[in-house]
Amino acid sequence: AQKITQTQPGMFVQEKEAVTLDCTYDTSDPSYGLFWYKQPSSGEMIFLIYQGSYDQQNATEGRYSLNFQKARKSANLVISASQLGDSAMYFCAMREVGSTSGTYKYIFGTGTRLKVLA
Amino acid sequence: DAGITQSPRYKITETGRQVTLMCHQTWSHSYMFWYRQDLGHGLRLIYYSAAADITDKGEVPDGYVVSRSKTENFPLTLESATRSQTSVYFCASSDLGRPNEKLFFGSGTQLSVL
Repeated sequence: AQKITQTQPGMFVQEKEAVTLDCTYDTSDPSYGLFWYKQPSSGEMIFLIYQGSYDQQNATEGRYSLNFQKARKSANLVISASQLGDSAMYFCAMREVGSTSGTYKYIFGTGTRLKVLA
Repeated sequence: DAGITQSPRYKITETGRQVTLMCHQTWSHSYMFWYRQDLGHGLRLIYYSAAADITDKGEVPDGYVVSRSKTENFPLTLESATRSQTSVYFCASSDLGRPNEKLFFGSGTQLSVL
């Protein structure tokens, strides 16, 4: 079963508008971390934002904010004032407990391709 | 330079051959990971390592072998390459446990199995 679900394979947004990329997750562990990464066409993976499961406030990093709704198990990424350079693939990820006791691993969703229109 | 480096950047091989992808990090991170990226599947975890000599299978470990004798190196070996292993492979390390933790990625290895 998919533990990280990104239901939007592709999205369009007009330049300067805000856009929300959806992410839902599934875990029974009380301690976990949620992440968003950006992958432009050049292929590198760029860290955007992190939210810990115990963090009371939603994380923000510049134009990026993470809308964390714990009860709904959602961790949507909000990009404000979209720019042409925001066109990329976006991945949601979760840090969860690993197979060996005391270890952790990170799993990713299938991604959302965002296209910003001029 | 400090960071995480993968080699080779590109590799073409034939089915049945053994291939090793290298990954080296200079931060002394305990955790290291191997992912493969395929269209429609996102990044899938192959193997990960919590420390030297501690490795675990991820979501898609079949056909791959890893080792971690030193903290800074985490090679991935395809023992007998198959066409289905054609993919982009990413190595990553993590500063797990620190504030604002994150995964740091290498540049990726594009592997083609003919």
